[in-house]
Amino acid sequence: GENVEQHPSTLSVQEGDSAVIKCTYSDSASNYFPWYKQELGKRPQLIIDIRSNVGEKKDQRIAVTLNKTAKHFSLHITETQPEDSAVYFCAASMGYSTLTFGKGTMLLVSP
Amino acid sequence: EAGVAQSPRYKIIEKRQSVAFWCNPISGHATLYWYQQILGQGPKLLIQFQNNGVVDDSQLPKDRFSAERLKGVDSTLKIQPAKLEDSAVYLCASSLRAGEGKLFFGSGTQLSVL
Repeated sequence: GENVEQHPSTLSVQEGDSAVIKCTYSDSASNYFPWYKQELGKRPQLIIDIRSNVGEKKDQRIAVTLNKTAKHFSLHITETQPEDSAVYFCAASMGYSTLTFGKGTMLLVSP
Repeated sequence: EAGVAQSPRYKIIEKRQSVAFWCNPISGHATLYWYQQILGQGPKLLIQFQNNGVVDDSQLPKDRFSAERLKGVDSTLKIQPAKLEDSAVYLCASSLRAGEGKLFFGSGTQLSVL
C-alpha cells in the first residue's frame, strides 16, 4: 500500500518568515495530494490540494508543489502569522482509494 | 451546511469494557470513513463505507472492532473489548463520493482506556 513520509515533525518560525513542509510518497500511481490543517483540539480541515496533472497550485499565502518524478510534494506558507500555528498533515491517494496520511508537522509561529 | 456530527465528544472506559461511537455525515455524502488518530500521528483509516457497503476495512482489527452503516446514512463504530492501545481520537469523515478527495471531518471522539 501507499506510504507517506513527512518532514520535519516540528517547525518553529518567526512571524513573517516562510515555512516549508515536505512529503514523499511511495506509490507512483497516486494522483491526489491534499494538505490538512488541524488546530489544537479541533478537526482536520482541508487547506489546499493538488492533482498529478498540475505541478504547482497557489491560494493566497499557501502553495503546494508536486514533483512526480521524485515522488514528493511540499507545502509552502509565506508571511506566516501566529494563527498559522497548527499541525499540518499531507496525504496521498490514487483514484478511488482512500487517503494515506503523513504523521504530521507541528508548526509554531512566534510573534 | 451542517458538518459531520459525532458523539460522544469524550469517553473514558476501563480495559476490557466496550464502547460505541456514533457519526452522522453531511447530508448527501455517500462515502463515510472512520479514522483512528493516536496522539502525535496522522489519521489511520479503519473502515470506509460507500452508501451502506464496506469499501475498505483492511486495517480494522476485526477481532475487537466492528462498524456498520445501516440505511447508508448514520454509522456506529464499536470496540469490544477495549485495550489500552485503543486510546486515541476516533474521527469520522465523509465525502460526496469515493475518490472525491476532499474529506470533511467531524470533531472526533477522544477515547481514554484505563
